[in-house]
Parts: sequence; C-alpha cells; structure tokens
Amino acid sequence: GAGVSQSPRYKVAKRGQDVALRCDPISGHVSLFWYQQALGQGPEFLTYFQNEAQLDKSGLPSDRFFAERPEGSVSTLKIQRTQQEDSAVYLCASSLRGPSGNEQFFGPGTRLTVL
Amino acid sequence: GQQLNQSPQSMFIQEGEDVSMNCTSSSIFNTWLWYKQDPGEGPVLLIALYKAGELTSNGRLTAQFGITRKDSFLNISASIPSDVGIYFCAGIYSGAGSYQLTFGKGTKLSVIP
Repeated sequence: GAGVSQSPRYKVAKRGQDVALRCDPISGHVSLFWYQQALGQGPEFLTYFQNEAQLDKSGLPSDRFFAERPEGSVSTLKIQRTQQEDSAVYLCASSLRGPSGNEQFFGPGTRLTVL
Repeated sequence: GQQLNQSPQSMFIQEGEDVSMNCTSSSIFNTWLWYKQDPGEGPVLLIALYKAGELTSNGRLTAQFGITRKDSFLNISASIPSDVGIYFCAGIYSGAGSYQLTFGKGTKLSVIP
C-alpha cells in the first residue's frame, strides 16, 4: 500500500527486555516523526528526523529510548530494558517536505505491552 | 511545556445533530490541525489551519484558527454514525528549530442512530 506501515502491530515484552519497532514511511517523504500514545490520551511527540538526520529528540522520555533512520527512509525505535510505564501505542508519521505546516500521515501504530 | 486543553472530553449526540468542540492553549501555535482516530488506527488529518483567523471547511466539517493563535474550534454538521471516533486537535509551533506537534487529549464522539 501507499501509506505509512509499522511493524509489529502488537508486541508483548517482559520487563527488562529490549524491543525494536519499525516504521516504513511513505516513499519519498522527507520527514519522519515518532509519537507515544498512552491509553485515553493524545499522542505525545518523541523525536523527529529530516532524511537521516535526527533534528529533535527532546520528547524521548529517557536514555533507554533510541531512534534511528540510517538511510533516510525506514526508521527503528528501540527501547532498552523495557518498563511497565513504556506500555503504549507507538505511532510513526511522515510528511513530504519539512514539518512546518505540512500534513503528517500516520501509521496504524505498534501497541506495546510490558508485563 | 506547551499544553492543549480540549473540550468536551466526550459527547453523545443524536444522528443529524451538529457538533462543536474546541481547543485552547497557553502558547501560540503557527498551525492548528484537527485529526480523527478510529480504534486500532492512527490519526487521520481532517483539516489544517495555517493563518490566524482562517476559517476552513471540508465537507460537513468546519474549523477556525483563533485570532490570538491560541485556540481553534471544529464543527461537524448533520452528524452521521460514521462520525463516531476520537477527535484530536493538534498545534505546531515551529520556532527555534522545534517542530513538535502537540496534541490535545481528544473528544470522544458517540452518535446515536
């Protein structure tokens, strides 16, 4: 399909395990964003890439969270030593040009449950 | 940090009624966006507003960007069952190299046939 895809759709991890969440943006989209959405809340910004450069990571909650986009397309969000409070839906979005005033297209999200 | 206050938190309306929801902020935003999210899906953009005072329509949806750049409303006219979902406002403040999209907590809309 032509939209943003994310995998896996669901992930269950034991506390302390590392997880890796993948985002395939729309082809040709320059900007890529990661958001965290807790149950019953709106998405919260985690980090932003323009091509392969991570220009803003101010929303990452701790140094256990790490994101990369090495070739400027696919991105991976990695969470090390997962904790129960990391349980949430992780959304990826991409946009064609820069982020300002530009439409962000969201993927379906990965629901992470940490036991 | 920047926060958006969205109201109401939830609404139950009869099919055919009009709906209004709004967002306010203590900070100025350059862009206001309204999204709809269905269960198990990511948010889908409904309307984007780029200028203070701008009024934009998309079918039965109408949204306005407040003059002060600190508020926005979304109206849905003649609601139908498929309007059910969670509506989020979101603001973009693109200053000093920051491009964060800040979301409200959402308005859950239920439509009674």
